[in-house]
Amino acid sequence: QLQLQESGPGLVRPSETLSLTCTVSGGSISSSNYYWGWIRQPPGKGLEWIGSVYYSGSPFYSPSLRSRVTLSVDTSKNQFSLRLTSVTAADTAVYYCARAPHQHFDFWGQGILVTVSS
Amino acid sequence: QSVLTQPPSVSGAPGQRVTVSCTGSSSNIGAGFDVYWYQKLPGTAPKLLIYGDNNRPSGVPDRFSGSKFGTSASLAITGLQAEDEADYYCQSYDSSLNGYFVFGTGTKVSVL
Repeated sequence: QLQLQESGPGLVRPSETLSLTCTVSGGSISSSNYYWGWIRQPPGKGLEWIGSVYYSGSPFYSPSLRSRVTLSVDTSKNQFSLRLTSVTAADTAVYYCARAPHQHFDFWGQGILVTVSS
Repeated sequence: QSVLTQPPSVSGAPGQRVTVSCTGSSSNIGAGFDVYWYQKLPGTAPKLLIYGDNNRPSGVPDRFSGSKFGTSASLAITGLQAEDEADYYCQSYDSSLNGYFVFGTGTKVSVL
């Protein structure tokens, strides 16, 4: 059974960089059938797509976050990662990684809460 | 701000039928892009309920169904059960701004 697990610091200082990794198990991140994505949910708010990436690269990003986001893939570790620069309190959220077989997300990680605070 | 608009809340008694609407535009739902629906329970990851407008993944009860017409889509829950109380989100693709995925604003379904 495919599993995704987010990892990274739960607390990030304002203006610094948020870095998260998603480890995929039970399947290969190098499958040609899937993209891999990040989605977040701020407290009390809705879901927001951050970006998606193919195993060979070719990331694409939310227009509202494009200037601050970088997604990357490490096929040797079966992982993909998120970097979000210049964070503010508005970036406080539960961050999810997920598999994207088409234009949707079918398997999700459990999520990780990241708080931006000094 | 999401380009897919959902009502903040809907409610129904056990056994009733409720619908959740998702209103988009000509650059997303109206352009023919597929609509997807997710169920979100507190403290858990979203669960895919409907893909490709009206298809259910294995394991999703047939009480859940999706439809699409013009620039809008709907999720129907028939035979409402207490366990259906959750947040529901629609999702699609928008072709503006070089293309991006978009989630709806979310709807809280309450079972009275």
